[in-house]
Amino acid sequence: DAGVIQSPRHEVTEMGQEVTLRCKPISGHDYLFWYRQTMMRGLELLIYFNNNVPIDDSGMPEDRFSAKMPNASFSTLKIQPSEPRDSAVYFCASSLTGTGGEKLFFGSGTQLSVL
Amino acid sequence: GENVEQHPSTLSVQEGDSAVIKCTYSDSASNYFPWYKQELGKGPQLIIDIRSNVGEKKDQRIAVTLNKTAKHFSLHITETQPEDSAVYFCAASIKGAQKLVFGQGTRLTINP
Repeated sequence: DAGVIQSPRHEVTEMGQEVTLRCKPISGHDYLFWYRQTMMRGLELLIYFNNNVPIDDSGMPEDRFSAKMPNASFSTLKIQPSEPRDSAVYFCASSLTGTGGEKLFFGSGTQLSVL
Repeated sequence: GENVEQHPSTLSVQEGDSAVIKCTYSDSASNYFPWYKQELGKGPQLIIDIRSNVGEKKDQRIAVTLNKTAKHFSLHITETQPEDSAVYFCAASIKGAQKLVFGQGTRLTINP
């Protein structure tokens, strides 16, 4: 398996633009997580899905952030409109049923820069 | 909710020496404690984990210890090598909660 695949690896955009980050989890994994990593706040959980259903979105910072998982092999995290403070590395991670979402497999991340 | 504190934030050791990273957690209900290693430009990768029913676990040069009474756990790396240089994160979770709370990370540098 190729692991968790995220795209793009880097995204540079201007304030106010819409940004869409994409994730393909490991086949057979039933949990999908979106994390944000910054120097100030470390790794923060934004939202997670179980069997494509959003379970906990309490970490989503604002209504400008939204996430979807239309099927078991694809998820998106959208920011609209983007702001400079959204600049961070965004990670997608997946895990197997039975681990309770504990043993996470992370993608390589998307480095987002909002100018 | 759970809070995880990690120390030190940076650690520099000579190749061949041991490195120790410590974490404390706040929620006594937490029962799963993994450690992740993050290399430059990559996502974190699980290197070892421990559950609250054991006090120590080893995997070659890496070991983790857990003190439930004091609510702290530690990562020990022996005979350090240059490839051990990375950022290490501890985390804690409550079984069934499906949510890991991460420490702030420790940047470990191995000096040749």
